[in-house]
Amino acid sequence: EAQVTQNPRYLITVTGKKLTVTCSQNMNHEYMSWYRQDPGLGLRQIYYSMNVEVTDKGDVPEGYKVSRKEKRNFPLILESPSPNQTSLYFCASSLRATSTDTQYFGPGTRLTVL
Amino acid sequence: AQSVTQLGSHVSVSEGALVLLRCNYSSSVPPYLFWYVQYPNQGLQLLLKYTSAATLVKGINGFEAEFKKSETSFHLTKPSAHMSDAAEYFCAVSFSGSARQLTFGSGTQLTVLP
Repeated sequence: EAQVTQNPRYLITVTGKKLTVTCSQNMNHEYMSWYRQDPGLGLRQIYYSMNVEVTDKGDVPEGYKVSRKEKRNFPLILESPSPNQTSLYFCASSLRATSTDTQYFGPGTRLTVL
Repeated sequence: AQSVTQLGSHVSVSEGALVLLRCNYSSSVPPYLFWYVQYPNQGLQLLLKYTSAATLVKGINGFEAEFKKSETSFHLTKPSAHMSDAAEYFCAVSFSGSARQLTFGSGTQLTVLP
């Protein structure tokens, strides 16, 4: 089944404890991105990747890192999480990095930073 | 800069009634427009998209939207609401040549009353 998977789905952690949220897609998509969803703000893009080893900042990149060593994986790293990073995170992918391509979303990771 | 405004963070309709969710965009160049739906505890799913072909776009589950350049609008409609339509709906915009792809509106929560 074609899908985007994220792990973990739920995570509660404490301030400053490094964490990684994994994202994997099995559709051979070139483009991958991370969003955070906050009430009343919709989804905001954190980072995106147009292909392997090509990443760039989105609208809210502060406090996050990403890497794209393989085409299928795009982990999101929080080196020193803070409470303002408590949010619902979505990974998404699309076949190409074009404006009309449909993005496919993972199920989300709900992160709470205490 | 491009932006999307969704009028009404919460909309309630009776089962069988018309669904109308409003979306207006701001752009100096021709946009591509999308509607996504998010069911509880799930990721986003594409309902429909406008990519400069026909201005009236039909999507899944009986939804459609009309691109009106003069009004800078892309409102989502469905003639008859069903209980299963209860979800959060997001309008999004992208532009040709934009590697960042989607900019999302803040979302509209649709409640369907029996």
